Amino acid sequence: AQSVTQPDIHITVSEGASLELRCNYSYGATPYLFWYVQSPGQGLQLLLKYFSGDTLVQGIKGFEAEFKRSQSSFNLRKPSVHWSDAAEYFCAVAPNQAGTALIFGKGTTLSVSS
Amino acid sequence: EPEVTQTPSHQVTQMGQEVILRCVPISNHLYFYWYRQILGQKVEFLVSFYNNEISEKSEIFDDQFSVERPDGSNFTLKIRSTKLEDSAMYFCASSLTLTGHGYTFGSGTRLTVV
Repeated sequence: AQSVTQPDIHITVSEGASLELRCNYSYGATPYLFWYVQSPGQGLQLLLKYFSGDTLVQGIKGFEAEFKRSQSSFNLRKPSVHWSDAAEYFCAVAPNQAGTALIFGKGTTLSVSS
Repeated sequence: EPEVTQTPSHQVTQMGQEVILRCVPISNHLYFYWYRQILGQKVEFLVSFYNNEISEKSEIFDDQFSVERPDGSNFTLKIRSTKLEDSAMYFCASSLTLTGHGYTFGSGTRLTVV
């Protein structure tokens, strides 16, 4: 069965420090991969997505993610975190053929300390 | 930028009552979805809808749930007889293509069943 694992439930990073949020997936083929961010009381905003091609994907707000097929990972990174980045981050996968459901990980809560 | 609009933002209902959650997807999108997020848990797929019929549904989407696109613009989720465990944030989403390219989520409706 397809699954998404985000091993870190909660991460605290100092403002200005770098960030890496981990995501591993279990799926027979290469799925489509997404990162979403959710601020408190808000909806899900798409940060970036990977479908094919260059394995380093650039997103909004200075985020990037790297797809590593050998590790079944799609980790999210940001070189310098801002206080406004504090939010919940969700990794999600979707089959690249029939089927439309996004499968989400449980999320990682990011806190930013000053 | 086009948005998916959900109303109401918060609804409180008594157990056993019917509730209808409303969504206005992006106008040229063809695929429509409902997801839910129970407090503190991951986002879960409920149902996808295309060409006026359900294309995929999860185990959660039992006979108590139904979806409808009554007038070509609104997309509704009805819960026939609400239970306490239906309390969650419900997200509507729409996409232009089958595989989730350009998925856009609404801000959600928080449903509280008392």
